Amino acid sequence: AQSVTQLDSHVSVSEGTPVLLRCNYSSSYSPSLFWYVQHPNKGLQLLLKYTSAATLVKGINGFEAEFKKSETSFHLTKPSAHMSDAAEYFCVVSETGRGNKLVFGAGTILRVKS
Amino acid sequence: GAGVSQSPRYKVAKRGQDVALRCDPISGHVSLFWYQQALGQGPEFLTYFQNEAQLDKSGLPSDRFFAERPEGSVSTLKIQRTQQEDSAVYLCASSPGQGGYGYTFGSGTRLTVV
Repeated sequence: AQSVTQLDSHVSVSEGTPVLLRCNYSSSYSPSLFWYVQHPNKGLQLLLKYTSAATLVKGINGFEAEFKKSETSFHLTKPSAHMSDAAEYFCVVSETGRGNKLVFGAGTILRVKS
Repeated sequence: GAGVSQSPRYKVAKRGQDVALRCDPISGHVSLFWYQQALGQGPEFLTYFQNEAQLDKSGLPSDRFFAERPEGSVSTLKIQRTQQEDSAVYLCASSPGQGGYGYTFGSGTRLTVV
């Protein structure tokens, strides 16, 4: 079965500095991978998705992620953090089978300091 | 509506009470999913519908949990004889195709069992 591991439960950065949220996946074949963001009391919002096209995926709000098969990683980055980026981020793999249900990581809470 | 609508937004139930959570997917979306998100954790898959057919209910934690989508649009998740461990946010998502790509999540129903 597919799974994802988010390596940090909390990340704290200063506004204007780079963001790195780490994710490793486990899959027996080329997976579909996603990053979702969840702001407090808000629904999950898709940031970006990788579906076996370009390995560098650009998403909304300046985020991007690089699929590295050799490292089984799909880390999320942003060059310059903004206060509004403070939220919880989930790395997600799509499990094959009926419906391609999503398997979520445990989440990383991003704190942005002014 | 423009998005996935869930009601109620908040529900407090006494232990042993039955509850019903409603999901209105985006009109025309074929696939509908329910996820459970416990405090401090990532969402976990409960069940999947393709139109009115429940194709996967492997994530339902016990026989107290029941979901239906009788006309292939609105879905209801019912929990009988609620227990404290059922306290969580219940998320509904829909997608236009037969797979899980292009999910749109609702804001969830926060269930607290006291």
